[in-house]
Amino acid sequence: AQSVTQLDSHVSVSEGTPVLLRCNYSSSYSPSLFWYVQHPNKGLQLLLKYTSAATLVKGINGFEAEFKKSETSFHLTKPSAHMSDAAEYFCVVIDPVLYSGAGSYQLTFGKGTKLSVIP
Amino acid sequence: EPEVTQTPSHQVTQMGQEVILRCVPISNHLYFYWYRQILGQKVEFLVSFYNNEISEKSEIFDDQFSVERPDGSNFTLKIRSTKLEDSAMYFCASSEEQGFVWGSPLHFGNGTRLTVT
Repeated sequence: AQSVTQLDSHVSVSEGTPVLLRCNYSSSYSPSLFWYVQHPNKGLQLLLKYTSAATLVKGINGFEAEFKKSETSFHLTKPSAHMSDAAEYFCVVIDPVLYSGAGSYQLTFGKGTKLSVIP
Repeated sequence: EPEVTQTPSHQVTQMGQEVILRCVPISNHLYFYWYRQILGQKVEFLVSFYNNEISEKSEIFDDQFSVERPDGSNFTLKIRSTKLEDSAMYFCASSEEQGFVWGSPLHFGNGTRLTVT
């Protein structure tokens, strides 16, 4: 069975300082991993995805994440936080074992990490 | 950029009433999904829909739930007799088919917040 653990429910950083949002996963096989962001009163927006190509993945708005199989981690980072980064971030995994073959699949979400950016 | 749109943004209903949550997926997408997020809990998969039928559903998606694509653009989630525990944010999503494209992302709508009183 697959699962995702986001280690921090709330992270607070000062504007201009680095951001680190931690995510660990468990999966039967090599998973696909995503980070989604949800701004207040907005939908879930895809930040970046890992699908067994390069282990360092670059996403939108300066975010990136590194897939580390040995640590079963997929932490999200950004060198310098901006006020507009304040939002909730979700780490998501797709386990190929759950793939039905019909082209549809289930995402498993982490509980989310709320990022606050202090001016 | 094309978006998934959901209406209404907030729906309040009394226990036992029927509600219909509406979604317009991205026009060239063929796979449609409903997820929900109870306050303070994880986003959970409810159902996926392809070629006018349910592809997969979770154990949450019991007989009180149904989905429909009544025309070429809308995708609806109906809850027949709402319960207090159905209060949640409901997200619609869609994805395009490119054969088997591993990791093809889902595009989510802004959600409908359902409050059952």
